Amino acid sequence: AQSVAQPEDQVNVAEGNPLTVKCTYSVSGNPYLFWYVQYPNRGLQFLLKYITGDNLVKGSYGFEAEFNKSQTSFHLKKPSALVSDSALYFCAVTGDNYGQNFVFGPGTRLSVLP
Amino acid sequence: SAVISQKPSRDICQRGTSLTIQCQVDSQVTMMFWYRQQPGQSLTLIATANQGSEATYESGFVIDKFPISRPNLTFSTLTVSNMSPEDSSIYLCSVESPGYNEQFFGPGTRLTVL
Repeated sequence: AQSVAQPEDQVNVAEGNPLTVKCTYSVSGNPYLFWYVQYPNRGLQFLLKYITGDNLVKGSYGFEAEFNKSQTSFHLKKPSALVSDSALYFCAVTGDNYGQNFVFGPGTRLSVLP
Repeated sequence: SAVISQKPSRDICQRGTSLTIQCQVDSQVTMMFWYRQQPGQSLTLIATANQGSEATYESGFVIDKFPISRPNLTFSTLTVSNMSPEDSSIYLCSVESPGYNEQFFGPGTRLTVL
């Protein structure tokens, strides 16, 4: 069965500094990996995904994530954090069989301090 | 991408009553999913709804408590029956995009049960 871990409940970073939100996963077969962001009182918004190809994936709002197969990780990064990036971030995984359920990580709350 | 709307956006209900949440998609999709996000927690899949067949429920969720309808390829409803305060959550509808291995989410329905 698939599983996703986000080892940090909370990440604090100063505005302008680089940020990293960690995600590790377990899945049978080839993984499809996703990052979603949830702003207060709003639904989930898609940030980026890894399906195949380059291990470094670029997504919305300047975010990127690096797929590392040997470490089974898909950490979310941004070179320079903005206060407006403060939100709840979810990593999700599914397998390469169509129709496999998505499994979401527990979420990491990112706070960017001015 | 798919555009998903949900009604109601929020509701406050009395214990013992039922609420039906509607999900409308702007394109035809085979699979629709219903998730629950309890306060401060991640997303948990309730059930998968395919048009023309009964919904498939995840462990811990039963049809009597969460009946689902899927009358066509663009619409689904989830009913939360005989509600208790423990049912207070955000309920999210989502669809999977064939070939994109991506899930799109509705804005969610925030339910509070008194």
